[in-house]
Amino acid sequence: QQQVRQSPQSLTVWEGETAILNCSYENSAFDYFPWYQQFPGEGPALLISILSVSDKKEDGRFTIFFNKREKKLSLHIADSQPGDSATYFCAASNMGYKLTFGTGTSLLVDP
Amino acid sequence: GGIITQTPKFLIGQEGQKLTLKCQQNFNHDTMYWYRQDSGKGLRLIYYSITENDLQKGDLSEGYDASREKKSSFSLTVTSAQKNEMAVFLCASSLTAEVFFGKGTRLTVV
Repeated sequence: QQQVRQSPQSLTVWEGETAILNCSYENSAFDYFPWYQQFPGEGPALLISILSVSDKKEDGRFTIFFNKREKKLSLHIADSQPGDSATYFCAASNMGYKLTFGTGTSLLVDP
Repeated sequence: GGIITQTPKFLIGQEGQKLTLKCQQNFNHDTMYWYRQDSGKGLRLIYYSITENDLQKGDLSEGYDASREKKSSFSLTVTSAQKNEMAVFLCASSLTAEVFFGKGTRLTVV
């Protein structure tokens, strides 16, 4: 049972475009949703996160849009740069210790 | 800041072998985790520990043992390596909701 789903599996955008990565979840108890960025050979690193009481969170070029009713969220990367090319994981928890991860979206930004 | 150090970085084992992966963190975090990362499957939780000498099973604990020897260290043992197994094992730690990861141990079983 995949409790956190991500789409697309891979995404290619041109430099300067907005990349949109999607995530959905099944467990209504989830209330904390971080996005992690992972480069090859590295561990995942926290990029941005949102709590379920909010519907939007911005941090520079990165924005999370959250729809609690539909159990969906998305990560928007504005003005995409080649250095943003990485794998992005959506995760969820109910503020406890166990993050549940999606399967990831591999983003390629073409210069 | 702190760092999570995983050893070894690469591990080649033989089928049926017992293999141990080690992790050290200097964040002084209470909670530590072991995740397994397979291509196309994301990260799956194997074991976690909320304090020294505590162990909690994750979704993928079968075939693994873990040990939290002290607050800063958390070990994972593959009890019997499976032939052709290839995966990255990630150690992590947290104090609050934010989880910090190490760079991983890459396991190959021949």
